[in-house]
Amino acid sequence: EVQLVQSGAELKKPGESLKISCKGVGYRFIDYWIGWVRQMPGKGLEWMGIFSPRDSDTRYSPSFHDQVVMSVDNSINTAYLQWSSLQASDTAMYYCGRRRMVQGAPFDSWGPGTLVTVSS
Amino acid sequence: QSALTQPRSVSGSPGQSVTIPCTGTSSDVGGYNFVSWYQQHPGKAPKLLIFDVSQRPSGVPDRFSGSKSGATASLTISGLQADDEAEYYCCSYAGTYIPFVFGSGTQVSVL
Repeated sequence: EVQLVQSGAELKKPGESLKISCKGVGYRFIDYWIGWVRQMPGKGLEWMGIFSPRDSDTRYSPSFHDQVVMSVDNSINTAYLQWSSLQASDTAMYYCGRRRMVQGAPFDSWGPGTLVTVSS
Repeated sequence: QSALTQPRSVSGSPGQSVTIPCTGTSSDVGGYNFVSWYQQHPGKAPKLLIFDVSQRPSGVPDRFSGSKSGATASLTISGLQADDEAEYYCCSYAGTYIPFVFGSGTQVSVL
């Protein structure tokens, strides 16, 4: 069974750094892009970026370029999303999803989400 | 990149049909046949319902159907059921360097 297993909820202070994870289980990890989607409280889905575990090709949404960094560790089939200095406005649920390496492919499987709360 | 336009809410009675439009531009919905739809229940992750405008993944009931005309895609839910009450998002491919744009989301209520 295909699963994306995300790390647990985080409570951080403004200015702190954070790295959350998304582990692919039940499929060949390098054959799918990993994407990240933000959902702020009571709001809609926002695509942040996608990362190819095969060749490290990376695409960021203009809204998130320079705000976050995506990476992977193929040895443990895990993707990461990290911030160097969190702000209160980063408070949101963050979902990872996978998509085939085909033009226009959708996110066909999603993780349960990681809730990030940034508060002083 | 602006979000695709969806109505904030639609509603229908059990057994009825509802249609959710998703309007974009020639750079996204109108330019590619790569529109997908996602269902999201409160507190849950999104679930893929439709891809490539009108294709259903295995396990998705045929009560859910998709179509497109020009720069507007649509999701139709037939035979509305209580469990269909959720938020629905469209998503379109928008090119190699900005491959995704989501819709603003539509809340479906079953009266």
